[in-house]
Amino acid sequence: GAGVSQSPSNKVTEKGKDVELRCDPISGHTALYWYRQSLGQGLEFLIYFQGNSAPDKSGLPSDRFSAERTGGSVSTLTIQRTQQEDSAVYLCASSIDGQSGNTIYFGEGSWLTVV
Amino acid sequence: ILNVEQSPQSLHVQEGDSTNFTCSFPSSNFYALHWYRWETAKSPEALFVMTLNGDEKKKGRISATLNTKEGYSYLYIKGSQPEDSATYLCASPISAGGTSYGKLTFGQGTILTVHP
Repeated sequence: GAGVSQSPSNKVTEKGKDVELRCDPISGHTALYWYRQSLGQGLEFLIYFQGNSAPDKSGLPSDRFSAERTGGSVSTLTIQRTQQEDSAVYLCASSIDGQSGNTIYFGEGSWLTVV
Repeated sequence: ILNVEQSPQSLHVQEGDSTNFTCSFPSSNFYALHWYRWETAKSPEALFVMTLNGDEKKKGRISATLNTKEGYSYLYIKGSQPEDSATYLCASPISAGGTSYGKLTFGQGTILTVHP
């Protein structure tokens, strides 16, 4: 597609269950990012991929969070044993080569509610 | 400052008014300043990426300026329309020693409401 695509758009899950969020970046973009925004908070960085490698995972809040990217394209963010504080909108973004002066394009987000 | 800050937090204007808001960021190890418009249930839309001190960019009725020496950027909207209602976010790569990739620190945003 023309833009960054994320699925699911909305997910309601029970506390303790695992969830997977998927991101399809813009074709040809080597850099991929995950961000999230919790209620009342600003957008916060989670992880950065360059190709299939993740040189910066510093924003992942706990070891329950993991992400991978395959084929230099699709990425999956996995949250294990979800907690209520994981409720947030999770945004994926991509850019052509990761340079900070290039435009970073965002998807519409996956809205996660943990009940 | 060590963070990205935006003001005001929210703004209500009448259709046709011109408005502006501010983004402050650390002036040391500066790489880039990004502006986004985020409407509810949509993806954040990239407005501008600015890298040079004194940069001015324009997109329709929206323009932005950049002062990297003092660490601020202004976003201007001329003749506001109801469809301009959104949250406007600025962001910059900030970390110890600076970063040259797109790990952005976002401000809290300015919520703009334009009344018909």
